[in-house]
Amino acid sequence: AQSVTQLGSHVSVSEGALVLLRCNYSSSVPPYLFWYVQYPNQGLQLLLKYTTGATLVKGINGFEAEFKKSETSFHLTKPSAHMSDAAEYFCAVSSATGNQFYFGTGTSLTVIP
Amino acid sequence: DAGVTQSPTHLIKTRGQQVTLRCSPKSGHDTVSWYQQALGQGPQFIFQYYEEEERQRGNFPDRFSGHQFPNYSSELNVNALLLGDSALYLCASSSLGQGFSGYTFGSGTRLTVV
Repeated sequence: AQSVTQLGSHVSVSEGALVLLRCNYSSSVPPYLFWYVQYPNQGLQLLLKYTTGATLVKGINGFEAEFKKSETSFHLTKPSAHMSDAAEYFCAVSSATGNQFYFGTGTSLTVIP
Repeated sequence: DAGVTQSPTHLIKTRGQQVTLRCSPKSGHDTVSWYQQALGQGPQFIFQYYEEEERQRGNFPDRFSGHQFPNYSSELNVNALLLGDSALYLCASSSLGQGFSGYTFGSGTRLTVV
């Protein structure tokens, strides 16, 4: 079975500061890992994903995440926050076939001018 | 190339009524999953359809049912609506036939039950 824990339901950063959103997972099989972003009243947009291969993955809008098997983590980072990054971020874990796909509870990111 | 399309975008229903939500998957995708997202919560998995059959189901009552058509589009039906069914319903598509690499989500249908 898979599960995801996102530490910190609300994160605030200053514009230009580092963004770090935490995600830890539990999986009985090699996981596929995802970060999605959701803007108000919209659907989910894929930021980045890890399936196999390189453990540091780069996504859209300057975000990246590193799969650390030993720490069962997949934290999302961005070197410099922009006002447009303010949104809800969801980490998700899946099996390789996608039939077990689970979201975390989400982290709301606020960017302070 | 159109992504995932959901209709309607918003609707209001009365408690006890029935509702049907529709989803057209991204071109090339053969699998459709439905999620319920209550306000301030993460999406909760309802069920997944592949080859016109329910492949997997989350912890939702039988009031929630679905269908997938030969063109891969899908419907979500909810009977005997409760106030607690008010949520954003998200459809997500993927490709199993070409190997799973993640879901593409639609913009959702906002259902309000009064």
